[in-house]
Amino acid sequence: RKEVEQDPGPFNVPEGATVAFNCTYSNSASQSFFWYRQDCRKEPKLLMSVYSSGNEDGRFTAQLNRASQYISLLIRDSKLSDSATYLCVVSPTSGTYKYIFGTGTRLKVLA
Amino acid sequence: EAGVAQSPRYKIIEKRQSVAFWCNPISGHATLYWYQQILGQGPKLLIQFQNNGVVDDSQLPKDRFSAERLKGVDSTLKIQPAKLEDSAVYLCASSLRASGALSYNEQFFGPGTRLTVL
Repeated sequence: RKEVEQDPGPFNVPEGATVAFNCTYSNSASQSFFWYRQDCRKEPKLLMSVYSSGNEDGRFTAQLNRASQYISLLIRDSKLSDSATYLCVVSPTSGTYKYIFGTGTRLKVLA
Repeated sequence: EAGVAQSPRYKIIEKRQSVAFWCNPISGHATLYWYQQILGQGPKLLIQFQNNGVVDDSQLPKDRFSAERLKGVDSTLKIQPAKLEDSAVYLCASSLRASGALSYNEQFFGPGTRLTVL
């Protein structure tokens, strides 16, 4: 089993739609969780950290479910500019913040 | 503030040749990372430096890959000899440090070096 698993997609959604991605992780001792965004042929950039209580940043909401070992990302009112690959990142150990990336979920928002 | 710099941006070599990549992290960032990203996959950590010391190189293929960060600032990653399966984007990232508060640990990525091995 992979340490971090994501559905690679692609998810094709119309503008204005709500879309959700899940990511599962295998190490129950994982400490920190993030969503990174990667545009085609560009470097990954931090979208948001995922806190135990869940967090929201504008149209984006991230949730953590430790019992089921998954994190989620919800995008409301999708824009064309949201088209990208969304990478789930899990940091399994405390103190060193080693990142383990999922394969990414590709989102394409259609006009 | 300048971001993470990498060079070259693209490199094409033949198998069994050698290649080196250079990375200059964000000023003041103590932690530097090299990742390999194969097409369709997420980045995979190759090596992590804290200042000029290696923190984690467990996934670095040490028979052909080497990396150094001699003065605790910029870093080079070398492949010798290259294989076809080394074709990938090599990403360098840096963070203020890799411990303590979450805010210190955000990793900032450079634009990457796209390597093609023929």
